[in-house]
This record gives sequence, C-alpha cells and structure tokens, in this order.
Amino acid sequence: AQRVTQPEKLLSVFKGAPVELKCNYSYSGSPELFWYVQYSRQRLQLLLRHISRESIKGFTADLNKGETSFHLKKPFAQEEDSAMYYCALSTHAGNNRKLIWGLGTSLAVNP
Amino acid sequence: NAGVMQNPRHLVRRRGQEARLRCSPMKGHSHVYWYRQLPEEGLKFMVYLQKENIIDESGMPKERFSAEFPKEGPSILRIQQVVRGDSAAYFCASSPPVGVGDEAFFGQGTRLTVV
Repeated sequence: AQRVTQPEKLLSVFKGAPVELKCNYSYSGSPELFWYVQYSRQRLQLLLRHISRESIKGFTADLNKGETSFHLKKPFAQEEDSAMYYCALSTHAGNNRKLIWGLGTSLAVNP
Repeated sequence: NAGVMQNPRHLVRRRGQEARLRCSPMKGHSHVYWYRQLPEEGLKFMVYLQKENIIDESGMPKERFSAEFPKEGPSILRIQQVVRGDSAAYFCASSPPVGVGDEAFFGQGTRLTVV
C-alpha cells in the first residue's frame, strides 16, 4: 500500500535549536518525495524535493531507502519557520501521477 | 503568471444545496488535481484531470461528487445535495505534463461550510 506517515502532529522547539520533522513512506516503486510548507494564511508551496538534493531556507532532507524515510532537518530553527509541513510521495502509473500526503506536522518555533 | 486561482475562497451552503468550486490552473499547465482536507485530517487526493479527460477519480466519493476540466475555462468540482460532512477545505493544484520531479502548484483553497 502507498502511504506517507508523519508521526508528529505538533513539534515545538526554541529558536536556534535543531529541528527534525519525520516522514516515513511505503511504496513498492521508485519513490519521488517532496516536502511542502504552508505558512499561516498562505497557500501550500513546495519546500524541497529529494531529486534536487538542495537546501532551501536552511532545510535539507535526505532520502533513506533502507529506512524508507525522508526526514526534514534544519540545524538552527527560526521563528519564521513556524508553519505546517507536509511530506508527499509522488506515484506514477504510466502518464498518471498523484501525490500521497502525510497528515502534516505543525512546527512552532518559540522565541 | 497569477498562479493557481480558486474561487470562491469561502462558500457557505445549506444542506441539500449544490456547491460549485472553481479552479483555474497556472498558464501552460494541463493537469489539475483536487484534494480535500477535512478538519483535523491531512490532504486526501480526490481526482486528477487533464483537459476534457478524467484520468484518475479513485479518491472521489461515489455519489454527489463530480469534476470536469473543459477545453475552455476552469476546472469545476461539483458537490450536489451537500451534507454537513462535506464541510472541508478543497484544494486544487496544477502541474505541467508529467515529468520526474515536477512540482504541483496549489491554489489557496475553497473552504466549504455546510450549515
């Protein structure tokens, strides 16, 4: 079964502390994974995707196929990072493509 | 490029009425996805459309819900005879033709409240 699990509904850290938002997936094919972020009163937007292997706003995420994980990390959290974060798995079947979503983790960075 | 536009942003309907949610994809995007987010739940895939075609509607409830993406004009998600359980945020996303790592761009959503 295709599934994305984000075990933490809410994560609260202090400014400057490291943060890790967990994401585990279940998929028999070759996964494409994304992190999306939704700031207060804004639309969902792409934060990063695993194939790019890039760092956006100080966040990184590494695909670990052995552990089927794609955890999002940032060494020093900032208050403006407070948002809802969603991990998503893109599945392909021929030309069909859809995203399977985790339930999201609400990150609160306290001053 | 104005991004994915959804309207209305907020929609209130009485039980039994019809709700029509509109989504205009980004320019050049031919793929549209609809998602529903129930209170306290994550995003759930509903339907995937290309122009004039429904590609995957495996997430659509079997009754009362329909979607279209005509050759001209926005994609429409239609909910007939709404019930309280239909109250949710409905998000539309669009993407260019399929390719590895393609990003889906989201609209701001329509919040449907059934009273």
